[in-house]
Amino acid sequence: AQKITQTQPGMFVQEKEAVTLDCTYDTSDPSYGLFWYKQPSSGEMIFLIYQGSYDQQNATEGRYSLNFQKARKSANLVISASQLGDSAMYFCAMREIGSARQLTFGSGTQLTVLP
Amino acid sequence: AAGVIQSPRHLIKEKRETATLKCYPIPRHDTVYWYQQGPGQDPQFLISFYEKMQSDKGSIPDRFSAQQFSDYHSELNMSSLELGDSALYFCASSEQGANTEAFFGQGTRLTVV
Repeated sequence: AQKITQTQPGMFVQEKEAVTLDCTYDTSDPSYGLFWYKQPSSGEMIFLIYQGSYDQQNATEGRYSLNFQKARKSANLVISASQLGDSAMYFCAMREIGSARQLTFGSGTQLTVLP
Repeated sequence: AAGVIQSPRHLIKEKRETATLKCYPIPRHDTVYWYQQGPGQDPQFLISFYEKMQSDKGSIPDRFSAQQFSDYHSELNMSSLELGDSALYFCASSEQGANTEAFFGQGTRLTVV
């Protein structure tokens, strides 16, 4: 079974609007971490935001926020006030304490911000 | 702040040659991961090290090997290169525990011709 599912291969958003990228996960470990990374066309993998399974509050980092719904096993990324430079591939990833801490990635969502 | 450093950034090799990729983790990070990302694919886990010992192994071919040295830098050795090995290779580092951030280097783009 897929551990990380990103159901949106591609998304478009108008500049200055907000966009939500979906991510659902599957784990039986009580302790895990959820991550979002941005990969622009240049290829580097840029860490955006992290949510721990025991964190009570949703993580926020500037224009990025993570909508963590533990019971539904979802960890959607919300980007507010989109900018042209946000156009990139976005990966959701999970690390479980029972898997030697390796990251498992979803298939990614290609976000395009329109002027 | 110091980031994960990978070298070289780009590498072109011929089939059947060998390649060595290097990774210098963020200081005080005790865990190093290697990932392979083919064109249009998500990163696939190859191997990881915790405190210089191999901690987990993913879909790493037998032709590949890796190690972590006393100064915590890691090297991925790839032999008998095949065209299908052409990919972006990432190294990432983190502190111990599932609930800590993992940071990636800028990657090494390997092209096998």
